[in-house]
Amino acid sequence: GENVEQHPSTLSVQEGDSAVIKCTYSDSASNYFPWYKQELGKGPQLIIDIRSNVGEKKDQRIAVTLNKTAKHFSLHITETQPEDSAVYFCAEGAGNMLTFGGGTRLMVKP
Amino acid sequence: KAGVTQTPRYLIKTRGQQVTLSCSPISGHRSVSWYQQTPGQGLQFLFEYFSETQRNKGNFPGRFSGRQFSNSRSEMNVSTLELGDSALYLCASSLTRGDRTDTQYFGPGTRLTVL
Repeated sequence: GENVEQHPSTLSVQEGDSAVIKCTYSDSASNYFPWYKQELGKGPQLIIDIRSNVGEKKDQRIAVTLNKTAKHFSLHITETQPEDSAVYFCAEGAGNMLTFGGGTRLMVKP
Repeated sequence: KAGVTQTPRYLIKTRGQQVTLSCSPISGHRSVSWYQQTPGQGLQFLFEYFSETQRNKGNFPGRFSGRQFSNSRSEMNVSTLELGDSALYLCASSLTRGDRTDTQYFGPGTRLTVL
C-alpha cells in the first residue's frame, strides 16, 4: 500500500448513537480492507474485514462498506456501548502487507 | 487455540545497545509480520516472513532485521539502538495462502524504551 487517510481522528458519541469512521486509500492494487480495535495496553484486534469483490459486510452492530471506484471504505457501529470506546484503525492490504490509517479514538459516553 | 505470544512484554535499553524480540504465531500459521507503532508515525510495516524467508520489507534501515525458524516462530533484532526506536513492536500471524492478503492476528506487543 501507499497511503491511507483516516477521519476523524477523535469521535465522541452518546451511548446508543451510531459512529462512522471513514478511510481513503491510494493503492489500486489493494484488495483487502480490515478494521482493528485497539484498547489500552493491548495489540490491535480484528473486528471486521472486507475484500475487494464485496461492497458491504455486516456483523451484528458492525458494518463495513467499500467503494473501490472512489477508493474509500467506512466502518459503521450502531447502538454504541461504553465498551466500544477504543482506538480504531483501518488498513489496506496487498500481498500480505498492511498499510494502516492514523487511527480514530472513539469515546462512547454513558 | 492460543493467540500470538510475544516476549518480553517490556524492555528498557540504552542507546547503542541491541535487542532481540520474540514472537510465537498461532498454531498452524506460517506467516509472521512485524510492525512498529509510535505516537508520531502510527503503525508501520517492518517485514514479513513466510517459510523462513523474508517475503516483504518495509522502509526501515538495515539496523532492523529478523528471521523465522522452522516452527514458524520469529525473532526481530534491532542493532545500535537510537532514542527514536522507542515504540511498541507488534507481531502478527496469518495462515497465508499464496499471494492473497490473509487475515492477520496481532499479539500484545513488546514495549521497547530506549534511554
